[in-house]
Amino acid sequence: GAVVSQHPSRVICKSGTSVKIECRSLDFQATTMFWYRQFPKQSLMLMATSNEGSKATYEQGVEKDKFLINHASLTLSTLTVTSAHPEDSSFYICSARGRTGGANEKLFFGSGTQLSVL
Amino acid sequence: RKEVEQDPGPFNVPEGATVAFNCTYSNSASQSFFWYRQDCRKEPKLLMSVYSSGNEDGRFTAQLNRASQYISLLIRDSKLSDSATYLCVVNRGAGFQKLVFGTGTRLLVSP
Repeated sequence: GAVVSQHPSRVICKSGTSVKIECRSLDFQATTMFWYRQFPKQSLMLMATSNEGSKATYEQGVEKDKFLINHASLTLSTLTVTSAHPEDSSFYICSARGRTGGANEKLFFGSGTQLSVL
Repeated sequence: RKEVEQDPGPFNVPEGATVAFNCTYSNSASQSFFWYRQDCRKEPKLLMSVYSSGNEDGRFTAQLNRASQYISLLIRDSKLSDSATYLCVVNRGAGFQKLVFGTGTRLLVSP
């Protein structure tokens, strides 16, 4: 089946540094990828929708200059958390919309990245 | 009020028990509905879609009541491996653009 690969799975960084998270669709082309954030005991919250070759669409309250999204190819989207602070510590998950083997379009999730900012 | 509401639990049940989770949603324009399962610090995994006619997949039965804006999930003959958080997910638009996740209901199945 389709797989979405997300790296790294865990990252610990110092406050003020930038962290890049990659999301790759391995066996299908993903024209649209989604980035979510999940704080402990809370629901997944959509941060932004990333379309290949165009600017990402950010949800209300998400700073586009802080959370940089690049979707340069049909198989790769990256999220860069710039100047990370402890309040950015969270679980970040990507998902990709795609079709495999002529089946109906589905949503496939990456395995998530646990970011801890010290 | 949250757009998708779930009882956070935890629901503690013995193996073999039947357990039911409920979920309500506030946006009547919601188009499609799902139950996902999420293990701790892992990605959500689709358990099943939910249809008005009700649908069953093995030990799992899902039901949608559009008039009451209510979704349910029934798990029969609970297994230890069913221990997880179950997310009620509502799609407000087409193409997964507007997925709204509930906070989840935690299930703990004990021997």
